[in-house]
Amino acid sequence: NAGVTQTPKFQVLKTGQSMTLQCAQDMNHNSMYWYRQDPGMGLRLIYYSASEGTTDKGEVPNGYNVSRLNKREFSLRLESAAPSQTSVYFCASNNQGASGNYEQYFGPGTRLTVT
Amino acid sequence: EDQVTQSPEALRLQEGESSSLNCSYTVSGLRGLFWYRQDPGKGPEFLFTLYSAGEEKEKERLKATLTKKESFLHITAPKPEDSATYLCAVPGAGGTSYGKLTFGQGTILTVHP
Repeated sequence: NAGVTQTPKFQVLKTGQSMTLQCAQDMNHNSMYWYRQDPGMGLRLIYYSASEGTTDKGEVPNGYNVSRLNKREFSLRLESAAPSQTSVYFCASNNQGASGNYEQYFGPGTRLTVT
Repeated sequence: EDQVTQSPEALRLQEGESSSLNCSYTVSGLRGLFWYRQDPGKGPEFLFTLYSAGEEKEKERLKATLTKKESFLHITAPKPEDSATYLCAVPGAGGTSYGKLTFGQGTILTVHP
C-alpha cells in the first residue's frame, strides 16, 4: 500500500517549456488535490477533483491545467512554465463526503525549478 | 475568505521543555480544524482532526485543543524527534468545497537535546 505517489521527484525546466506532474493513490479515495508550497506562503490549493470526472479551481489556478484520468490518477500540467511556478508541488487525496471533511493524505512532493 | 494564522513562526525548545503552538482562524462558521506535521523534504503527515469547540485529542506527547477562535498544539516533554514544521488548516464551506483546505504558514519547531 504505497499511499499517494508522485512523479517526478525533481524537475528543472526552462521558461516556456511544458510538463505534466503525475499523481496516483491506491487508497480508493474519491477526492484528489494539487497544492503548491512556497516559503512564507504556506500550502495553497491549485486545483482539486471532488470525484472522478469533476475538477474545480482552487486558490491559485492560473497557469495550470488538471486531468482526473480515473479514480486513482490526477495530473497537473504546466503548459508554458514561468519562473513564478518554481515551487514544491504536493498531491493529496481523501474520501470527502457530504457529511463532513476527512483528513487528506499527501504525497512526497515534486520539487520544480523554472529557470 | 477564511484566514489561518500560526504563531510563533519558529520555536526552539530544549528536550523536556513543554510549550504550545497557536493556530488562530477566521471562518464564516467552524467546520473543523486539521493539524499536520511536515518533516524537511516530505509531504505533510496528518495528526489530528478537531470538529467542535472544547474538543481535545492526544497522540504521544502532543495534545490538540480547539476553541471558537483558535487551536493549540501542546507539546509535553518534547524530544528531538518532535522537530518538524507543524501546520494547521481549516476546510472550506459547503458541499465539494469541504476539501478546499486553507493552511496556516506553519510553526517550525526545533527541539535540542
